Amino acid sequence: AQSVTQPDIHITVSEGASLELRCNYSYGATPYLFWYVQSPGQGLQLLLKYFSGDTLVQGIKGFEAEFKRSQSSFNLRKPSVHWSDAAEYFCAVGGGILTGGGNKLTFGTGTQLKVEL
Amino acid sequence: DSGVTQTPKHLITATGQRVTLRCSPRSGDLSVYWYQQSLDQGLQFLIQYYNGEERAKGNILERFSAQQFPDLHSELNLSSLELGDSALYFCASSGRQASTLGSTDTQYFGPGTRLTVL
Repeated sequence: AQSVTQPDIHITVSEGASLELRCNYSYGATPYLFWYVQSPGQGLQLLLKYFSGDTLVQGIKGFEAEFKRSQSSFNLRKPSVHWSDAAEYFCAVGGGILTGGGNKLTFGTGTQLKVEL
Repeated sequence: DSGVTQTPKHLITATGQRVTLRCSPRSGDLSVYWYQQSLDQGLQFLIQYYNGEERAKGNILERFSAQQFPDLHSELNLSSLELGDSALYFCASSGRQASTLGSTDTQYFGPGTRLTVL
């Protein structure tokens, strides 16, 4: 069964500092990986996704993530955090065609990011 | 704005009641997914429909059912509601082309319906 682990429940960074949010996945084949962000009272917005190819993917709002197959990780990074980045971040894995015709996403428990001014 | 709409935004009801949540996918998307987000369970996949047919099922209770209509909008029906059903229910859509089914679909989420069961 596919699973996602986000080991950090809360992270606090100062505005302008760099950020790395950790994500580890378990999946039997090549995973499709996603990062979503949820602001208070809002839905889930897609930040970036990895399907294949270049293991470093760029997303919106200056975020990037690196797929490391050997470590089963897909960590999210941003070189300089802005106060508006405060939100909850979810890593997700999807199975694509290997899920028997379905395409469900399995989410991690999320990391709540707080930005100190 | 993802292009996925959900109504109502908030719903307050009593235990034992039945409610219907509605989702309109992005224009042209054929797949609709339902997810539940609660404090104790996190974000969990409930069910997927593709072009009117059930495609995949997750941890969906028997008291819950869904359907996708010919115009591709979807409804999630929750019955015999319990306090523990209080949660945020998200709809997502994907797959503007039939050939993308089950492949590298990217799911776009609606704003959610917050259900409170009193």
